Amino acid sequence: EPEVTQTPSHQVTQMGQEVILRCVPISNHLYFYWYRQILGQKVEFLVSFYNNEISEKSEIFDDQFSVERPDGSNFTLKIRSTKLEDSAMYFCASSDQVGKGELFFGEGSRLTVL
Amino acid sequence: QQQVKQSPQSLIVQKGGISIINCAYENTAFDYFPWYQQFPGKGPALLIAIRPDVSEKKEGRFTISFNKSAKQFSLHIMDSQPGDSATYFCAAYNQGGKLIFGQGTELSVKP
Repeated sequence: EPEVTQTPSHQVTQMGQEVILRCVPISNHLYFYWYRQILGQKVEFLVSFYNNEISEKSEIFDDQFSVERPDGSNFTLKIRSTKLEDSAMYFCASSDQVGKGELFFGEGSRLTVL
Repeated sequence: QQQVKQSPQSLIVQKGGISIINCAYENTAFDYFPWYQQFPGKGPALLIAIRPDVSEKKEGRFTISFNKSAKQFSLHIMDSQPGDSATYFCAAYNQGGKLIFGQGTELSVKP
């Protein structure tokens, strides 16, 4: 069964450092998303991406965040200068439809900022 | 208006019982309402979903009831099993495909 894969599974970083989280969406999907989940809280939307550009972003997704699809398979989330409050589980998701279809989530990348 | 409110926050049910989780929304532009199941250390996985033109959808032991006029929907898990113990999130899609999650319900099914 096709799946969304994410790396790394866990990253520990110092405050102020840059972090890149990587995702390989399901191959025929066209819509890509990043969500985050702070421990014990709900899953929050960060950004959606389609046709090589951001479709929508939340207020959480400020100038410290960026996304990129550097090649035909990877989808990355970069945090330029991490803050303590960026510590969370980050989930990548993909879909073959917008608004009507299922989002397939990866297993997440746990980011710990010290 | 973009919020989806979910209750209860946690739920303990005996094996064989019925688990009921409720959600409410404000934005009438939402047009697709999925439920996701999340096990510890895993990403959310789609369990069942409904569109607002349908009042009920059943898949196995899982049923969504949808009340469009009240802007509420609920998940019923019949014959709950210990393997159903997980966190359940209701969600709603807006027109742009952004999925808004509820706060989550941690379900524990006791043997």
